[in-house]
Amino acid sequence: DADVTQTPRNRITKTGKRIMLECSQTKGHDRMYWYRQDPGLGLQLIYYSFDVKDINKGEISDGYSVSRQAQAKFSLSLESAIPNQTALYFCATSPGGASQPQHFGDGTRLSIL
Amino acid sequence: GNSVTQMEGPVTLSEEAFLTINCTYTATGYPSLFWYVQYPGEGLQLLLKATKADDKGSNKGFEATYRKETTSFHLEKGSVQVSDSAVYFCALSEWGGSEKLVFGKGTKLTVNP
Repeated sequence: DADVTQTPRNRITKTGKRIMLECSQTKGHDRMYWYRQDPGLGLQLIYYSFDVKDINKGEISDGYSVSRQAQAKFSLSLESAIPNQTALYFCATSPGGASQPQHFGDGTRLSIL
Repeated sequence: GNSVTQMEGPVTLSEEAFLTINCTYTATGYPSLFWYVQYPGEGLQLLLKATKADDKGSNKGFEATYRKETTSFHLEKGSVQVSDSAVYFCALSEWGGSEKLVFGKGTKLTVNP
């Protein structure tokens, strides 16, 4: 089984719908991140969490919200989806410390029509 | 703010050719540097890292040296294989704050037999 699991892997939905992307991990890491990948733009940070009670906005948090339900679970929600949120979304975990690599899930490809 | 600039792609090589993907960075402090690889349909995987000046990261025949004087972390491989075809991302992370990864835009490599 994958250490960082994202569901769903693919989702097509309509403008205005509420969508939740889920991430669960078995690595035992405290830190979890949500990134968005757009073609030719690399990855940008949406939200991050250092533990269940610690949630922080990243550089592109507008239009998104998150929930850290447990150490192992971190969900990303789009309250009212819009077409320019069409992207590839990645969840990542880290044990903490800038020298430690982050571990990524396989991503959720989201298309908003 | 921190940023990473990497060689624009796509890059197309023949099998056994030499590979260089240039990466330079701007950081306010003393970052850790990473190369991640993304195979089609998958998440990002750590390829190698370096955490201090003159460190050389290496893995699977790939190498990169942390050059503080030139703020660079160029990726090299002496003889590429078809299986190396992927998108390569240079990234940095600094201590403190979110310790997020700041990514370059990615370089797509295609290796032909």
